[in-house]
This record gives sequence, structure tokens and C-alpha cells, in this order.
Amino acid sequence: EVLLEQSGTEVRKPGESLKISCKGSGYTFGSYWIVWVRQMPGKGLEWMGIIHPSGSITRYSPSFEGQVTMSAVGSLSTAYLQLNSLEASDTAIYYCARRVYSGDRGGEFDYWGQGTLVAVSS
Amino acid sequence: QSALTQPASVSGSPGQSITISCTGSSRDINSYHYVSWYQQHPGKAPKLLIYEVSSRPSGVSSRFSGSRSGNTASLTISGLQTEDEADYYCSSYTGGSPLWLFGGGTKLTVL
Repeated sequence: EVLLEQSGTEVRKPGESLKISCKGSGYTFGSYWIVWVRQMPGKGLEWMGIIHPSGSITRYSPSFEGQVTMSAVGSLSTAYLQLNSLEASDTAIYYCARRVYSGDRGGEFDYWGQGTLVAVSS
Repeated sequence: QSALTQPASVSGSPGQSITISCTGSSRDINSYHYVSWYQQHPGKAPKLLIYEVSSRPSGVSSRFSGSRSGNTASLTISGLQTEDEADYYCSSYTGGSPLWLFGGGTKLTVL
């Protein structure tokens, strides 16, 4: 069974940083890119970026470039999302998902983590 | 690039059919067949319903179908059931920046 297990709820103060993890199991982690998606309270899904499972390649959405850092450790089958200089507006659920594709580009997201709630408040 | 455009809400009665539209541009929906749809129930993670415009993953009911015409993709749900009540999101690969876009989401109410 394919699973993406994310780390638990985080509560932080403005200005702090945090790192969310997403551990894959039930498949060959190194064969699938991981994407990160944000969902602010009561809002829709926002594509943040994508990372190769080796951690060697990342592509960020312009909306998140410079605000977040994606990384991955293939030997641990784990991807990470680091959020820096947190603000109240970073309060959201963050999802990781596995990208699957048949050609050399594109694709869709077939398995999702359960989401990590990040709450930022003074 | 802006998010793809979806109606905020649609509704239907059990047994009826509904269609949710998703409008993009020539740079996304009309350029690649990587259009997908996701279902999200409250408090749950999104679930892949349709990929590559009209394909269904294993285990997804045949009541869900996808199509595309020009810059607009559509999700049709036939034989509505109460458990279909959820939020639905379209997504398209863009080949640009950002690489993928989501629609704003559509809340389906089954009356």
C-alpha cells in the first residue's frame, strides 16, 4: 500500500521557522517526484513546487520562491518542506503528494499525505 | 499565471447529473492533456478522480467522467449520490511557471 505520512501539527510564533516531513512507503521512493500543496483555511489548493526524490532538482511556484525550501533524502524516503520567517498568513494545511506521469513531463498527483496543519500566532 | 476558473458552487439532487467546468488558457488546458480532477471531503486530503483529461484511476466510480473542449475542461458526475457532496478541484500542467495550476474549487451540494 502506497502511503505518504506527514509530520504532525505545528504551532509557531511569527518569525520562527519549521520543517515538515513527508515519508513515503509502499513504493520505490526514488522513482516519483514529490509536490507540495498549500491550503489556507477555507480556501482552495495552491501548488507550491516539486522536488526530485534525490533532492537534486526543485522547481518552485513564483508565489512561494524564496519563502520556502524543499529538500529530500532518498535514503530515508522522506521529503521536507521548510517554512522560514513565519507569518500569520502562513497558517494553513500543507500537503505532500506523489507525482505520477507517463511521458517526460506533466502528470498528476495520485497519492496524498494526510496534511500537516501549521498554525502561526503570537 | 492565474488559477484556473471554476464555479464556486453547484448543486443537484440524488440521481441527477451535474457538470463542473474549469476554464484555463491556451497555455495550460488547451496545450497539454495533463488535466486532472480531485475530490476533497471536509477534513480529508484530496483524492485523484480523473487524470489526463478523461482517464479514471482504478477504484474510481464510472459515474465520474472528464472531458475537454478548447480551454475548458469539465467533470461530469452522473447518478449523484449523497457521498458525492464534496469540494472538487481541477488542475492542469502548464509547462511554464508555475508548472501546475489548480482551479479555485467547486463545492458540490447534493440536495
